[in-house]
Formats: sequence, C-alpha cells, structure tokens
Amino acid sequence: KAGVTQTPRYLIKTRGQQVTLSCSPISGHRSVSWYQQTPGQGLQFLFEYFSETQRNKGNFPGRFSGRQFSNSRSEMNVSTLELGDSALYLCASSWRQGENTEAFFGQGTRLTVV
Amino acid sequence: AQSVTQLGSHVSVSEGALVLLRCNYSSSVPPYLFWYVQYPNQGLQLLLKYTTGATLVKGINGFEAEFKKSETSFHLTKPSAHMSDAAEYFCAVSLLLGYSTLTFGKGTMLLVSP
Repeated sequence: KAGVTQTPRYLIKTRGQQVTLSCSPISGHRSVSWYQQTPGQGLQFLFEYFSETQRNKGNFPGRFSGRQFSNSRSEMNVSTLELGDSALYLCASSWRQGENTEAFFGQGTRLTVV
Repeated sequence: AQSVTQLGSHVSVSEGALVLLRCNYSSSVPPYLFWYVQYPNQGLQLLLKYTTGATLVKGINGFEAEFKKSETSFHLTKPSAHMSDAAEYFCAVSLLLGYSTLTFGKGTMLLVSP
C-alpha cells in the first residue's frame, strides 16, 4: 500500500515569502500531524488534524497554519518566512477506523529559507 | 504533560558489539512508547512500540526494548551492531494510541565502526 506522501521534497524560499507544503496520508488514515525537525530543537510538534478539525496544536507562532481536506489530505502554510524556519518538515498519519495503529511518517519536505 | 529524555546525543559502538540506547519518559499516566529510526534525509521508520501486555517488545532489524514502569524507562537494545544500523534513533511517547501526536526525545545518533 502507498505510504505517506509529502510534496515537494525540497524547497528554497526567500525570507518574507510564504510557503505551502502538502501531505497525502495513507489511505483510510484520518489523523495527520506535522512536525518541524531542526538540528538545534529536534522534532517539534506543530499541529494535528483529525477529520478536518485541528485537534492539537504545538507551541509555534501564528505564522504556521494548516488545514485538512475531506479526503484527509493536509497542507501546512508558513507565512512571512524567517531564516529560522529552515528545517525538515515531516508529516505523519494514523488512525484507521477500528484499528489501533501507530503513526507513519512521510519522507519530509526540506525547506531552506535564504 | 509528557516528556522524553534520551541519554547521549551520540553513541559509538564497534560492529558486533551490543547496542544500548537509553530513553526515560515522564508522564502522568501510563503512556504508549515508540522507537523510530531515521536515516539521512529520510522520514522516520517505526522500529517497535509498547502499548499493553508484554513489557519486552521485539521490533524490526533485531532490535528490542523493555518497558520498565518502575524506572520510567524504555531502553532500546540490539545484541550485535551492524554497519547498517548507523542512523539516528528517536524515542517517543503518546497518551492516545491511534492518533499521530507524539512527543519525541532529542534523538541519539548511533555510530558503528568496523
């Protein structure tokens, strides 16, 4: 079965711009979470969506936002990019109806802000 | 709130030696525990998980971990290291199984020398 797909894999943006990252979860999964990974801070939770509703949110500024569509695909948006937003952004999906399942991760989107 | 502490940001072993990566957690309720592995420029792959039942859990690639409630630990071991085990390892906790919200440790880079 297809895994979690994140697009694009690599992205270079200029400070002040905005960016949208996409995540397609495993078929049937309804929970999608986003994580930011940096060498200094490690893996930090951004937010989780479940059935199109934000269920949890991490400690990030309002420039970071997300949404989930009816087919469970999710996007995250970062506005007014800063150099410190350069990171690997990982998406994870889980929760198939009637199953206890762990989180499966995509390969990530490497964002570089210059 | 839960937290995860991984002792040692880097662990070096020789090929064929025992691998021991340490993880301690803090949680107000018994958590679900996970170990993930990450290879360079890749996403996270689940090695093993503890949910309920047997406290010694076996995972992929010969890894296993033991949940010790009294010590709030979930250390990862492998009897004999292979060169291909060189990667970064993350311990994570979740209070709810099935959702994709996880709290991660800072990670431990495993270095394997010939």
